[in-house]
Amino acid sequence: AQSVTQPDIHITVSEGASLELRCNYSYGATPYLFWYVQSPGQGLQLLLKYFSGDTLVQGIKGFEAEFKRSQSSFNLRKPSVHWSDAAEYFCAVGGAGNNRKLIWGLGTSLAVNP
Amino acid sequence: GAVVSQHPSRVICKSGTSVKIECRSLDFQATTMFWYRQFPKKSLMLMATSNEGSKATYEQGVEKDKFLINHASLTLSTLTVTSAHPEDSSFYICSARRLAGEVNEQFFGPGTRLTVL
Repeated sequence: AQSVTQPDIHITVSEGASLELRCNYSYGATPYLFWYVQSPGQGLQLLLKYFSGDTLVQGIKGFEAEFKRSQSSFNLRKPSVHWSDAAEYFCAVGGAGNNRKLIWGLGTSLAVNP
Repeated sequence: GAVVSQHPSRVICKSGTSVKIECRSLDFQATTMFWYRQFPKKSLMLMATSNEGSKATYEQGVEKDKFLINHASLTLSTLTVTSAHPEDSSFYICSARRLAGEVNEQFFGPGTRLTVL
């Protein structure tokens, strides 16, 4: 079965601390992986994506993610969190060709303490 | 580039009325548009996939007669919630897949908050 698991429902970090949000997936074909961020009441903004090539991908706002095929993971990281990073983060997986639906994780809510 | 707009951003309506939400790709042509529903503190639920010029494909459990989708052009898809009831209150988000874009990348609109009284 195809699925995306974000094990952490809610995370709180202090401003300036490092951050890692976990994402594990189950997908039968070559996965295309995405991280999106959603601020309260807003739509989704793409942070980064992995299609192929270098397994460490850089995104916007200082985020990066590493694709580990052996672990079926695509964890999101940021070395130093800013208060404006407080938001909901969603991991998603999709495929090529006719497999155009995205499978979504339930999201991780990030709170940042001053 | 790759901007998607939704209109309206917020709508309040009476029970029994119909509400139309527009999704537009502003600077690209979209072969496929997707409609999602998001409940509070929940992930996105795909409602339907809309291809220009053809009937939408609805996900299991989504009533096609209640949620009418029209994809009349490569830049516009509409979702009409017919005979809305309070349980239809939700955050509706559309996304669009670019005609000549990378595989399976979707660009999201800002969402529409529907409140049915």
